[in-house]
Amino acid sequence: DTAVSQTPKYLVTQMGNDKSIKCEQNLGHDTMYWYKQDSKKFLKIMFSYNNKELIINETVPNRFSPKSPDKAHLNLHINSLELGDSAVYFCASRRISGSEREELFFGEGSRLTVL
Amino acid sequence: DQQVKQNSPSLSVQEGRISILNCDYTNSMFDYFLWYKKYPAEGPTFLISISSIKDKNEDGRFTVFLNKSAKHLSLHIVPSQPGDSAVYFCGGDAGNMLTFGGGTRLMVKP
Repeated sequence: DTAVSQTPKYLVTQMGNDKSIKCEQNLGHDTMYWYKQDSKKFLKIMFSYNNKELIINETVPNRFSPKSPDKAHLNLHINSLELGDSAVYFCASRRISGSEREELFFGEGSRLTVL
Repeated sequence: DQQVKQNSPSLSVQEGRISILNCDYTNSMFDYFLWYKKYPAEGPTFLISISSIKDKNEDGRFTVFLNKSAKHLSLHIVPSQPGDSAVYFCGGDAGNMLTFGGGTRLMVKP
């Protein structure tokens, strides 16, 4: 039973389209993340979200928006897709309790290709 | 502005020898550091971590060393095995945000 699952695993779409990537975790974690791994293989944080606050990396365009219907889900919506959005997107989650922090658990990634 | 840097994009070692992967950081707010391992077409998986109040943490073949004054940490793998061949990411944690370096590809030759 996958701890952090993302769908779809592969997504090919045209420039200008709007798309979403879904993420679900069954670990009971309270904090979820989205990371982007670009063509240079850097793993860049995009968002950090728990039920109290959303932290956005200021370099992320506002075409990207996280949506969390509940604690177990953090979906990524992307509007007006551009060629440079092509990347592998990783969802992750962890438990943060006071000063205690557990490691991140990552999903398998969603490869987005914009044509 | 890269807060975490892994200056060696790749490293090749012989099976049985020591692998040393290095990581430098600039953010003084990092109080926790983690190493992740990534195989192709998979998500990163946790390997080992260290709190900023420690200078060493060991787990089997893996040891992480932290030098806070130099803002430097390293991961030692002894002995290296072919199955260790992967990309290793170093991460610095400042509360809610975990920032990673660009990764180092380790190749362990039989």
